[in-house]
Amino acid sequence: TQLLEQSPQFLSIQEGENLTVYCNSSSVFSSLQWYRQEPGEGPVLLVTVVTGGEVKKLKRLTFQFGDARKDSSLHITAAQPGDTGLYLCAGTTYGQNFVFGPGTRLSVLP
Amino acid sequence: EADIYQTPRYLVIGTGKKITLECSQTMGHDKMYWYQQDPGMELHLIHYSYGVNSTEKGDLSSESTVSRIRTEHFPLTLESARPSHTSQYLCASSDASRGGTDTQYFGPGTRLTVL
Repeated sequence: TQLLEQSPQFLSIQEGENLTVYCNSSSVFSSLQWYRQEPGEGPVLLVTVVTGGEVKKLKRLTFQFGDARKDSSLHITAAQPGDTGLYLCAGTTYGQNFVFGPGTRLSVLP
Repeated sequence: EADIYQTPRYLVIGTGKKITLECSQTMGHDKMYWYQQDPGMELHLIHYSYGVNSTEKGDLSSESTVSRIRTEHFPLTLESARPSHTSQYLCASSDASRGGTDTQYFGPGTRLTVL
């Protein structure tokens, strides 16, 4: 069974700080997605990474897929209150359903 | 932006009622999913479909049922709602033809409360 772990589980920081959250597995994924979810809403896709070592940037967010395609990180530069939410990673591989991590709940205080 | 819709967004009903949660997508995706998520908790897959006339049970046992008569429509039905069914239900779709590099897109969810 494929499992995804995310760390930290909770993170509370001040506006303007940088942070990194992690998504780890012992399994290899053919692609991995990051989502942000706000209370009472569905997860919103941030990025999909498919190549080992790939780095993608989305404004102040930087996503990296591990070389072995087993792990990923999300780095946020100069966090803002609007970044507050639950960050979920999800992995998939050929013929399999998506596997979701438990999420990192981020709170950015003004 | 994902074109996947869920109705109703919020539903409060009494025990024993039959309900149907609607989900539709306009992206032409073959694969669709239903997840159950309690507040602040993980997503649990309860049903999925590879395409028309295909339905499969997910990892989490659920008393709900689904149907897939049209590609764009994947409704979820509870024949007799109970308080234990209170949760958020999320619908998603993905392009299965892209194999392991596909991406799931989610609807806004239906928050169900059974009294």
